[in-house]
Amino acid sequence: NAGVTQTPKFQVLKTGQSMTLQCAQDMNHNSMYWYRQDPGMGLRLIYYSASEGTTDKGEVPNGYNVSRLNKREFSLRLESAAPSQTSVYFCASPLQDFGWTGELFFGEGSRLTVL
Amino acid sequence: DAKTTQPTSMDCAEGRAANLPCNHSTISGNEYVYWYRQIHSQGPQYIIHGLKNNETNEMASLIITEDRKSSTLILPHATLRDTAVYYCIVVGGGSNYKLTFGKGTLLTVNP
Repeated sequence: NAGVTQTPKFQVLKTGQSMTLQCAQDMNHNSMYWYRQDPGMGLRLIYYSASEGTTDKGEVPNGYNVSRLNKREFSLRLESAAPSQTSVYFCASPLQDFGWTGELFFGEGSRLTVL
Repeated sequence: DAKTTQPTSMDCAEGRAANLPCNHSTISGNEYVYWYRQIHSQGPQYIIHGLKNNETNEMASLIITEDRKSSTLILPHATLRDTAVYYCIVVGGGSNYKLTFGKGTLLTVNP
């Protein structure tokens, strides 16, 4: 999907290992979001960033850190991975960039398995 | 944000209209109704949203009842590629409001 690019698409970790999921958007928009989706469940918001240099916790932030060093990139870091963090992770950014909007464009997802 | 209730699953014949209901009886005056869908293993896709009036775009129509306590997403001519989980989300306007996805409705379009 042009617009929001996530890397890696697949990753297997051992418990206790660390890793960073990368997200980049080429729409030059202010807001970016990280969601996780467990099997058979809806998406849950982990963290979001309203603008460059700002981040805020979502519904399930524990065990994660984020970084928004520039407008284009929003990374999600797992410092010490746990099996409960096995999930599909989606990054998103608004389709438009004036005011707030619930019209989000999602990346293809990063599938993480923690053994 | 108001809670939504959707059927777990629905079936529709290819070429027919698919009508997906959503109840949101506790919706407040400044909350919007958004619809997304998620085709298997892909990221969710925005479909349409509305506040009070009915809305239509190239993908679907959104019918919101006058009391705003329920809405219906209409796919006028469903195709096999419309098979997906459809999420109805109610959210307030404003820069700090975030989307909350429930379990949605699995729509299966049959040939």
